[in-house]
Amino acid sequence: TQLLEQSPQFLSIQEGENLTVYCNSSSVFSSLQWYRQEPGEGPVLLVTVVTGGEVKKLKRLTFQFGDARKDSSLHITAAQPGDTGLYLCAVSTGTASKLTFGTGTRLQVTL
Amino acid sequence: DAGVIQSPRHEVTEMGQEVTLRCKPISGHNSLFWYRQTMMRGLELLIYFNNNVPIDDSGMPEDRFSAKMPNASFSTLKIQPSEPRDSAVYFCASSWFGEAFFGQGTRLTVV
Repeated sequence: TQLLEQSPQFLSIQEGENLTVYCNSSSVFSSLQWYRQEPGEGPVLLVTVVTGGEVKKLKRLTFQFGDARKDSSLHITAAQPGDTGLYLCAVSTGTASKLTFGTGTRLQVTL
Repeated sequence: DAGVIQSPRHEVTEMGQEVTLRCKPISGHNSLFWYRQTMMRGLELLIYFNNNVPIDDSGMPEDRFSAKMPNASFSTLKIQPSEPRDSAVYFCASSWFGEAFFGQGTRLTVV
């Protein structure tokens, strides 16, 4: 079983549309991270959320940490082709910060 | 800093051969992670080190895989003997206080 389940697995939308992707778990975490990975590259950190209910905005991207700190969402407003990529959530567990990633959502934004 | 540096970027080898992947983490980072990424299984944590010490190798698929970190600036992941099912992109990442920085990965093809 996966520690972090992301949905949807794949999403293909047109430029200008809005979308939300989800990261869910049955476990409680002290913090959660979102990464974006472009083809041929490694994942790059977008944001870290720490407090239950916390909302962070990064331009057109809005990240929310669930009140119970078990889940998170990423909302993109007016998607652009440059948003295309694999979106991964990740959590640190254990005393030495073992970083585990979710199953990922692959987003394609077309013109 | 040049970021996390991995070599080689691409490796094609025959089944049964030994493969060694190399990683130079970002100077000052105290954690180093080796991940394997495939379409089927996503981004899997193989092993991670904290202050050069292996902390958790439970993700290493089998005894054919081994990893070392002889000092703070170098790590290797070795597969011996390699098999076609080992074909994947292998990422090294280093971190300091939770934010992970990834290398560009090594695309391994075992034929």
